[in-house]
Amino acid sequence: AQSVSQHNHHVILSEAASLELGCNYSYGGTVNLFWYVQYPGQHLQLLLKYFSGDPLVKGIKGFEAEFIKSKFSFNLRKPSVQWSDTAEYFCAVNGANAGNMLTFGGGTRLMVKP
Amino acid sequence: EAGVAQSPRYKIIEKRQSVAFWCNPISGHATLYWYQQILGQGPKLLIQFQNNGVVDDSQLPKDRFSAERLKGVDSTLKIQPAKLEDSAVYLCASSTRTSGYNEQFFGPGTRLTVL
Repeated sequence: AQSVSQHNHHVILSEAASLELGCNYSYGGTVNLFWYVQYPGQHLQLLLKYFSGDPLVKGIKGFEAEFIKSKFSFNLRKPSVQWSDTAEYFCAVNGANAGNMLTFGGGTRLMVKP
Repeated sequence: EAGVAQSPRYKIIEKRQSVAFWCNPISGHATLYWYQQILGQGPKLLIQFQNNGVVDDSQLPKDRFSAERLKGVDSTLKIQPAKLEDSAVYLCASSTRTSGYNEQFFGPGTRLTVL
């Protein structure tokens, strides 16, 4: 079975601060990894994804994430956050043998103070 | 391209009542998913359809939840009877069906409150 753990439930930052959100997964095989974002009142949207290759992946709006296989981690980063980054962020995993099934973490609610 | 449509957006019912949610996926998407997102948690897959067939419903509480996708397009999720713990946002998503992983696109969700 696949599972995802997000350690930070709530994060409050000031604008221009750096962001790192933790994500650890559990799955005994090859994985595809994702970060989704949900802005207030909007749909879940894909922020970035990792399937294979370069473990440092870049997504929209200046976000990036690094896959560290030895640590089963896929942390999300942004060097300088903006007020508009206020949202809820979800890490998700798809095991290679799990068809198209996604398992989500519990989410991290980010508030950026102007 | 139109996104995934869901209705209603909000629903308030009393426990033991019945409720139904509707989803229209992106045109041409063969795979449709229903998720339950309880406040403070991530979405949890309830059921996955491939065209009009069920691929995975292992996490669907079948004593009270049912879902159908009769013509392989629209889908309906029903709860009968509802319990307080069913209060959540119900998300519908859809994807194409090709080899490998296919990106899921999410609808706006239906927020259910059970009193």
